[in-house]
This record gives sequence, structure tokens and C-alpha cells, in this order.
Amino acid sequence: DTAVSQTPKYLVTQMGNDKSIKCEQNLGHDTMYWYKQDSKKFLKIMFSYNNKELIINETVPNRFSPKSPDKAHLNLHINSLELGDSAVYFCASSQRSVGKTQYFGPGTRLLVL
Amino acid sequence: AQTVTQSQPEMSVQEAETVTLSCTYDTSESDYYLFWYKQPPSRQMILVIRQEAYKQQNATENRFSVNFQKAAKSFSLKISDSQLGDAAMYFCAYLGGSQGNLIFGKGTKLSVKP
Repeated sequence: DTAVSQTPKYLVTQMGNDKSIKCEQNLGHDTMYWYKQDSKKFLKIMFSYNNKELIINETVPNRFSPKSPDKAHLNLHINSLELGDSAVYFCASSQRSVGKTQYFGPGTRLLVL
Repeated sequence: AQTVTQSQPEMSVQEAETVTLSCTYDTSESDYYLFWYKQPPSRQMILVIRQEAYKQQNATENRFSVNFQKAAKSFSLKISDSQLGDAAMYFCAYLGGSQGNLIFGKGTKLSVKP
């Protein structure tokens, strides 16, 4: 009965590889987000989707491509991974019309070697 | 642009005592929301408490309460009867009425001494 789930929880990979992180929410929310937490614990928005449409796209390299196949899923694909991409990536969801509280997934720790 | 400042990188409290974590923010909006999230070593982001800017009454959730001073743009978190399980990073976050994304402070690492 997990509300927001992410897979995998840990990802170790080599520079130059392509990887994906999946996110699913069963809260019935219409908006999903990707946040990046760097090594100093600072959290920053990357993308936001509302009803499968991109509504926020912060200054993120175009190697990062989000995909929302439906309202309950928001996946993050990263091409040509770089050392600086090492971070924890959080998926979150909310219902924009009510409350606006965002609920977070458990995070995916990405380590690029 | 909106900013959130947490001026205490680290705080420490004795078990069963009370501690207050500070947060200030800058905005020109009148409609917004404020949150405190807790991140224990498990790294899960857990909502602690939320406050709607239009509400004058301070939010409370069991041992957690806030002191919301809208004019001063201050939003501090008070933890009463601190427990060992309260040890974590605490993030203050702002959500504007016209925005979708949370803007976070840099966090305060809280230690609880037995």
C-alpha cells in the first residue's frame, strides 16, 4: 500500500551509460515531480507533470528526459551519465486543486563512477 | 524569486526537552503554503506539518507546532518533549499559490541526546 514508490532505490553505474528511474503513485494525484538532492542535501525541483503534461522544466541538461505514460507514473531517463549526476532523486506527487501537500517517494541514490 | 533560509545548519537537544528550528522566507505573494519536512537517515522525506498563509492560527501536530509570523516572513518549528526518533534533517519549504514546486531551505540537522 505504498503511496509513492520508486525503483530502483540504489543505482551504481559507469559514466556514459543510460539509465532510468521509475516512479508510481497510487494516491490518485494529478501532478508528479522530480527533485534532485545533491551531496550537500540541497533539494531542487527538476520537472513537474500535471495530467501527463510537462508544466515545470527547470534548468536541467537535456540528457534528462522525463516521461509520463499516465497520471500515476513519471519516469526519469538519463542519457550519457556524468559524475556530477550522482545524487539522490526524489519523485513526489500532489493534487494541485486540493491541499497542495506533496508526498515523496523513498528516493533513488544514483552513483556514477 | 522566492527564497527560504534556514540559519541553523545544526542543532542539538536533550531528550524530553524542547527545541525550535528557525526558517525565514522571502516572497511577494500573498497566497502560499509553508511546510516542514523531516528526513531521517533512511532518507525518506516525511511531512511534519503544513501552514496555509491565509490562516492566522498556528498549525500543530501532536508534539510539533509552528510559530508563523506572516509580516516577519518567519516560520519556526517547535518540537516539544524531544524523542530520539526526532533526530533527522529538517527542511523548511515554501509553495507559492501560482507555483507547483516546493522551494526548500538548506536544512537543519537535529541531534537528540539521551
